[in-house]
Amino acid sequence: DAGVIQSPRHEVTEMGQEVTLRCKPISGHNSLFWYRQTMMRGLELLIYFNNNVPIDDSGMPEDRFSAKMPNASFSTLKIQPSEPRDSAVYFCASSVQQLAKNIQYFGAGTRLSVL
Amino acid sequence: DQQVKQNSPSLSVQEGRISILNCDYTNSMFDYFLWYKKYPAEGPTFLISISSIKDKNEDGRFTVFLNKSAKHLSLHIVPSQPGDSAVYFCAASDEGNDMRFGAGTRLTVKP
Repeated sequence: DAGVIQSPRHEVTEMGQEVTLRCKPISGHNSLFWYRQTMMRGLELLIYFNNNVPIDDSGMPEDRFSAKMPNASFSTLKIQPSEPRDSAVYFCASSVQQLAKNIQYFGAGTRLSVL
Repeated sequence: DQQVKQNSPSLSVQEGRISILNCDYTNSMFDYFLWYKKYPAEGPTFLISISSIKDKNEDGRFTVFLNKSAKHLSLHIVPSQPGDSAVYFCAASDEGNDMRFGAGTRLTVKP
């Protein structure tokens, strides 16, 4: 079992550039979550999908952020244009909805630095 | 709006002693609570959970206590070991599938 796979592990970019973070959930999981971790706010839920459909995106900071899940095995989180305040660790997690209620399995995260 | 709060950013205990990590929540609709543990450069991993129909759940050295009237839960680690040094996140969910996390508490267990 490979677990949740995120890429890249580290991303350094300049302000104004587009950034795309990628996530492959655990096979068979039908819910996928994107989180952002900062020192001040801890783990914030940005958006989550059930069966590839976005359910709640109220945590997405602003229109510069977008997320897609074109199929059950892949999701992206895009920031365009990026700003220094977007610097954080971004985690993807997946779970099986309604089974072992709400235990989410996390990837190792992408550390994003926007200069 | 922080619905789940961990007011202690850090905690330091001696090896062999008890570690108590605390968590408060505001949403009375939460019915399932979890603790996650996170090592540096890794994602959080599930540690222990408790349903709102219980007030205690034990798994080896880890015990979670839930006080619904106070909207408070705590994680007890006995005895604490240096390998327990990590950031611990409290999380809560309602009937839906999303989960709200606290800001985390960094536990350091000194040998």
